[in-house]
Amino acid sequence: AQSVTQPDIHITVSEGASLELRCNYSYGATPYLFWYVQSPGQGLQLLLKYFSGDTLVQGIKGFEAEFKRSQSSFNLRKPSVHWSDAAEYFCAVDRLLDTGRRALTFGSGTRLQVQP
Amino acid sequence: ETGVTQTPRHLVMGMTNKKSLKCEQHLGHNAMYWYKQSAKKPLELMFVYSLEERVENNSVPSRFSPECPNSSHLFLHLHTLQPEDSALYLCASSQDNEGFIDNEQFFGPGTRLTVL
Repeated sequence: AQSVTQPDIHITVSEGASLELRCNYSYGATPYLFWYVQSPGQGLQLLLKYFSGDTLVQGIKGFEAEFKRSQSSFNLRKPSVHWSDAAEYFCAVDRLLDTGRRALTFGSGTRLQVQP
Repeated sequence: ETGVTQTPRHLVMGMTNKKSLKCEQHLGHNAMYWYKQSAKKPLELMFVYSLEERVENNSVPSRFSPECPNSSHLFLHLHTLQPEDSALYLCASSQDNEGFIDNEQFFGPGTRLTVL
């Protein structure tokens, strides 16, 4: 079955420092991968997605992610973190339901705290 | 209104009450989803509707009853809930084009439900 693991529950970085959030997936075929961000009291907003092609994907707010098939990873990165990036980040993999429709399986999330 | 809206944003109910959560999407999508987000747990997919037909029901207790009267509206009817049902309930929508893989989902802000 498809699954997503985010090994880091909580990460704290200083403003201006670089960031990498880890995501590992388990999926038999070519995965379709997503990163979402959730600010307090808000729904989830898509940061970026990977379907095929270039393994380095650019997203909004200066984020990027790299798909590495050999490591079953899709880590999220940002070169310089801003205080407004403090939020919870979710990695997700698209999966096929028994009904032939599709849905997303989410990781448990990584909470990012940014220190001034 | 734009995107996906949810009402109410906050709801407190007793275990014997009956209430409904409402979701509306203004994106012209044809698929809608209910998720449950509890503390320290991954997002749990509850129901999927595609073209107003329920295509997934993830073993959700019968005290949760979804309704999708048209492609823009989705309801979650609640009755005789338990305290452990307290959570953030998120609605999402996407465009379900069978055979085309792009399951980018757009989320509403959620309804924070507290069951006393």
